[in-house]
Amino acid sequence: SQQGEEDPQALSIQEGENATMNCSYKTSINNLQWYRQNSGRGLVHLILIRSNEREKHSGRLRVTLDTSKKSSSLLITASRAADTASYFCATGWSGSGNTPLVFGKGTRLSVIA
Amino acid sequence: DARVTQTPRHKVTEMGQEVTMRCQPILGHNTVFWYRQTMMQGLELLAYFRNRAPLDDSGMPKDRFSAEMPDATLATLKIQPSEPRDSAVYFCASGLSNRDTQYFGPGTRLTVL
Repeated sequence: SQQGEEDPQALSIQEGENATMNCSYKTSINNLQWYRQNSGRGLVHLILIRSNEREKHSGRLRVTLDTSKKSSSLLITASRAADTASYFCATGWSGSGNTPLVFGKGTRLSVIA
Repeated sequence: DARVTQTPRHKVTEMGQEVTMRCQPILGHNTVFWYRQTMMQGLELLAYFRNRAPLDDSGMPKDRFSAEMPDATLATLKIQPSEPRDSAVYFCASGLSNRDTQYFGPGTRLTVL
């Protein structure tokens, strides 16, 4: 079953606006990751936040993590048409090392030029 | 620019035929994952390997699916016999056991008629 659930399922915004996607998960985690998938392509890793971190930035991306609420958010600032894609949150299995990821269903983001 | 490669990119076959998908992980990566993506189920783990040894294949229908790593540069996923419900995009991903990031290939889009 899906560990993460993204909200909203779909989001349409104008270029230059900010896009916020949310993710909820069910069990304890070591880290939470966000991936992007362009139509017909593989997934690309965007950012990872560890369970002892609350916020992390990478370029125009900002991720927050609230382990008490088992939720995370991804903010894309000053969106561009090229940001149009599906965004997935993913959590790893417990244990050390690179473990399989459990993905949510994703948020489809459309950025209109 | 190191990438995970997958072949074939597209495969159309008839029910009952054998299908073999191949993956070349990024050189030096010792952890390999197979995921399947469908509209209904999203992304699900099928199997994963570390140092060529299978660690978990509980996501695979054992009677028809098999996954192997003949060597460190090749992972294979076989379906025999294939069924229409196997139609999906199959992704291979690789990573290092001491890092959490996974690098995805472009996927094999399988259609079973």
